[in-house]
Amino acid sequence: GAVVSQHPSWVICKSGTSVKIECRSLDFQATTMFWYRQFPKQSLMLMATSNEGSKATYEQGVEKDKFLINHASLTLSTLTVTSAHPEDSSFYICSAKAGLAGNEQFFGPGTRLTVL
Amino acid sequence: DAKTTQPPSMDCAEGRAANLPCNHSTISGNEYVYWYRQIHSQGPQYIIHGLKNNETNEMASLIITEDRKSSTLILPHATLRDTAVYYCIVRVASHSGYALNFGKGTSLLVTP
Repeated sequence: GAVVSQHPSWVICKSGTSVKIECRSLDFQATTMFWYRQFPKQSLMLMATSNEGSKATYEQGVEKDKFLINHASLTLSTLTVTSAHPEDSSFYICSAKAGLAGNEQFFGPGTRLTVL
Repeated sequence: DAKTTQPPSMDCAEGRAANLPCNHSTISGNEYVYWYRQIHSQGPQYIIHGLKNNETNEMASLIITEDRKSSTLILPHATLRDTAVYYCIVRVASHSGYALNFGKGTSLLVTP
């Protein structure tokens, strides 16, 4: 099956710093990638939709200037949490969808962000 | 996307079949039923999806009622590794990028 990786798997940073999370589709080209956030004991919440070569579409309530998304190639999307604060601590998960190969989305293993 | 309703939690003995129900009474004719699961601290995993016919793969079976207002995911021989939160999602299948709307899902606990 299709594999999506995320790096890093976990990160601890100080308040005010920026953190970059990478999402890669390893064996297929992903025209669309999605970024989700999951707080403890809650379900996944969509943050933004990222299409290769174009600007990301953010969900209501998600600050685009704080959560910078870049989808520069068909196999890589990055999420940068700028000026992170403790309330940004969460489990960040990306998913990737192949172009025309099917409708399933393939999820990465997630990145645990802890902001001190 | 149509809304889904799932029981918050279920238990199942190891080796027995786990039957996870999902109600989607407002489903439209072009909406599929998808099932994903999330093991603790991991990303969601695709299980199966279907439109109106029953479907089976190496992981599970999906039974959709004739009126399509409900479905059941069946894990035929549950193992401890099947302990996870199971999400039933209804959405249009499309070549374009549609995100998945995750509800609260059913937390399945498989016991020895």
